[in-house]
Amino acid sequence: SQTIHQWPATLVQPVGSPLSLECTVEGTSNPNLYWYRQAAGRGLQLLFYSVGIGQISSEVPQNLSASRPQDRQFILSSKKLLLSDSGFYLCAWNLGQVPQETQYFGPGTRLLVL
Amino acid sequence: SQQGEEDPQALSIQEGENATMNCSYKTSINNLQWYRQNSGRGLVHLILIRSNEREKHSGRLRVTLDTSKKSSSLLITASRAADTASYFCATGVGAGSYQLTFGKGTKLSVIP
Repeated sequence: SQTIHQWPATLVQPVGSPLSLECTVEGTSNPNLYWYRQAAGRGLQLLFYSVGIGQISSEVPQNLSASRPQDRQFILSSKKLLLSDSGFYLCAWNLGQVPQETQYFGPGTRLLVL
Repeated sequence: SQQGEEDPQALSIQEGENATMNCSYKTSINNLQWYRQNSGRGLVHLILIRSNEREKHSGRLRVTLDTSKKSSSLLITASRAADTASYFCATGVGAGSYQLTFGKGTKLSVIP
C-alpha cells in the first residue's frame, strides 16, 4: 500500500532563517506531488505541484520554492523565512493523467516563524 | 475569490443525530470531492462525485450534487463522536488543471 511521509512534524524558525521541508511517497511510481499551505481556520492554498522529476509548477508567487530531486521526493524550501510563512504545510499525491482525481495527504508540518 | 464555500462554518450535534454540510461553488466543475481533517492532521478523502452524477453513497455518508444550483451536500447519518472533525469540499475545474480549490471547511462537533 502507498504511504506518504512528511518531516519534520513541527518546526519553529526565526525570521530570515532558511527552510527545508521534505515529503516522500512509498509504494507507487511517478506520482503527481503537491504542496499546500493551510492558514489557521482556512482552506488549503496550493503552492506547487509536480508531475515528474525536475518539473515544478508554481501556483502562487512567493517566498518559497520547491524541488523534486527524485521520483517520490518533494522538497519545499525558502532562503529567508517571513512571519507570513507560518502555517500548516501539507504534501499530497495522486496518480494519473487526470490531475483532479483523489489526492492523498501526508500528516503535515506545522511551521511557526517568530 | 473562493471557489467552494462550506456552510455552516460550525455545527454541533448530539451523537446519533444526522449532520448535513453544504458546499456552494461558482464555476462549472469536473468533479467535487469531500475531505475530512481531524485537528492538526492531514486531510482524508471521503468521496468524489463527478459532474454527471447526482448522488453517491459510502457507508454512513451521502453526497448530492446539483450542478444547476452549483451546490453539494454531505450528509453523515447516525453521527459518532469520532466524526468530530473539519470537513472540506474541493472542486476541480478546467481541462488539464491540476488545481483542486478547497473551501474553508465546516467544523463538526459531535457531542457524546
